[in-house]
Amino acid sequence: DIQMTQSPSSLSASVGDRVTITCRASQGIRNDLGWYQQKPGKAPKRLIYAASTLQAGVPSRFSGSGSGTEFTLTISSLQPEDFATYYCLQHNDYPLTFGGGTKVEIK
Amino acid sequence: QVQLQQWGAGLLKPSETLSLTCAVYGASFSGYYWTWIRQPPGKGLEWIGEINHSGSTNYNPSLKSRVTISLDTSKTQFSLKLSSVTAADTAVYYCARRNRNHEPRSFDIWGQGTMVTVSS
Repeated sequence: DIQMTQSPSSLSASVGDRVTITCRASQGIRNDLGWYQQKPGKAPKRLIYAASTLQAGVPSRFSGSGSGTEFTLTISSLQPEDFATYYCLQHNDYPLTFGGGTKVEIK
Repeated sequence: QVQLQQWGAGLLKPSETLSLTCAVYGASFSGYYWTWIRQPPGKGLEWIGEINHSGSTNYNPSLKSRVTISLDTSKTQFSLKLSSVTAADTAVYYCARRNRNHEPRSFDIWGQGTMVTVSS
């Protein structure tokens, strides 16, 4: 199985802060990676696909980068509605696997 | 607008079989994988398995011996059965869709989730 190591597992930040979340794959996955945002009691929502392409309708303060084994999700200026848990997903090989999640909390 | 609506029993006893169904509205089965994912309370997401329009399946090896995913093309529904459940199977179960033949191939549409609790 491809292991997706996501860091940090949680962070505290203030509105307006720049936030960076990292996912490392245990082997190369090209750009077969998506980023998801999940709020309590809701299904995950895709933010980024193919590692760096912004999903339609998602604010441009979200961006993704990386290829191979290291990937980054950046929120350029954190907004109140961005406090949530974020997950990466690799779909390069079976079984599909998610990162462990990063909970973004209010400082 | 594509929507997935899911349902099924929310409380099971150990050793029973979990059964969930997901109805697809606004899309055909062709060209996609139809997937089940679960999330134990307070924990992360786990891919269970998927099925395509011809009935070909892929399962997570960790659950493969207990999982069956099937589809009913006449009703545009697909289903999950998980046998011999234990407390470790307590989770919110989601159905989801991803593209099969072209990018992007990550999950784009999700169901609302169904909480399944296994308790004696």
